[in-house]
Amino acid sequence: DAKTTQPPSMDCAEGRAANLPCNHSTISGNEYVYWYRQIHSQGPQYIIHGLKNNETNEMASLIITEDRKSSTLILPHATLRDTAVYYCIVRGGGSNYKLTFGKGTLLTVNP
Amino acid sequence: NAGVTQTPKFQVLKTGQSMTLQCAQDMNHEYMSWYRQDPGMGLRLIHYSVGAGITDQGEVPNGYNVSRSTTEDFPLRLLSAAPSQTSVYFCASISGAGDTQYFGPGTRLTVL
Repeated sequence: DAKTTQPPSMDCAEGRAANLPCNHSTISGNEYVYWYRQIHSQGPQYIIHGLKNNETNEMASLIITEDRKSSTLILPHATLRDTAVYYCIVRGGGSNYKLTFGKGTLLTVNP
Repeated sequence: NAGVTQTPKFQVLKTGQSMTLQCAQDMNHEYMSWYRQDPGMGLRLIHYSVGAGITDQGEVPNGYNVSRSTTEDFPLRLLSAAPSQTSVYFCASISGAGDTQYFGPGTRLTVL
């Protein structure tokens, strides 16, 4: 699976959009981009995933560049409860369900 | 649905002791896996199973055994605990249709 690069930490003001970047320059054509988050001491929580089109759900939006070498997770109106470590993960499709977690980005939402 | 459940939540062992971490899911998911997370690190895959009777090794399998006799349960056994196995252990299962992996609340293990 392709390796991902994320900034170690970011800050965001409550109520503002949080934009979390991820580089995955070695991604191959059949690999998906997944985002998970981990709120302190809890199990990781699935947020969103995509292949090449932009995706949106009730939690967030995922913007993938046309060359697929990077992506951005957008939390449109960050709240204090969104403070967490956010993981960008690239994995193959089909029955390859293995997830390779890096160190992620610690997003701190400030009041 | 209860989702993915793990027991115990906390455990302290002495070096050389053995124990089993329990994981169960009630979502009829075929794929289940075990991860460990050390302080300040991401999760690392220990073992996984693609269905009852089928298991395989992940990134860090040494010192751990698994079995999958039913779809619901995927226990992780520590054969002879070592201080290096002090960690937080997460069990997960995946919905094949949606590709969403659901994680349990974790077991915090300390080996003295």
